[in-house]
Amino acid sequence: EVQLLESGGGLVQPGGSLRLSCAASGFTISDYAMSWVRQAPGKGLEWVSSISGSGQSTYNAGSVKGRFTISSDNFKNAVYLQMNSLRAEDTAIYYCAKTMSVSTGYASHYWGQGTLVTVSS
Amino acid sequence: SSVLTQTPSVSVAPGQTARITCGENDIGNRRVEWYQQKSGQAPVLVAYDDYDRPSGIPERFSGSNSGTTATLTISRVEAGDEADYYCQVWDSYTDHYVFGTGTKVTVL
Repeated sequence: EVQLLESGGGLVQPGGSLRLSCAASGFTISDYAMSWVRQAPGKGLEWVSSISGSGQSTYNAGSVKGRFTISSDNFKNAVYLQMNSLRAEDTAIYYCAKTMSVSTGYASHYWGQGTLVTVSS
Repeated sequence: SSVLTQTPSVSVAPGQTARITCGENDIGNRRVEWYQQKSGQAPVLVAYDDYDRPSGIPERFSGSNSGTTATLTISRVEAGDEADYYCQVWDSYTDHYVFGTGTKVTVL
């Protein structure tokens, strides 16, 4: 059974950093591209970052480019999102999602339950 | 980059048909995915590659895509279909995913 378990969220001050983790089970992350998607309170879904199964290709939304970095660890079967220079507008639930292909550009058919990041002083 | 426009809300009586649209100039040439998100829950994929359904999704959910509009049709609507629905595409020009603005489906 495919499972995605996010962790690492919490309260952080503006300008601070957080590292989100997504522990995957039931499949091998090197066989699938993975994504992070966020949802601000009361708002719609916003794609954040994606990484190919090989880990060699990464993509970031313009709103987080230069501040967020997606990475993966095949030994731990996990995906990470390093978030630096956090802003109030980064406050959201962050979801980890598994896509249907080793390459990015395909649908996400499994999602975690999300982890809440709150950026506030 | 792409902007996917959805009608903010759709109301439908049980047993009737709900149609949710996603508009963009070139959407007919893209693969469109659809997600259902119930209140307080993570999104669920209900249609991908325009019209394919993941296993476990009822046949009542069907997708289509042509020209400037992609459509998710929910036939014989049930109370449990009440949710927010989002379309999504991959923009190969920018290497970005794009989500639609979302449609809230209310079952009367």
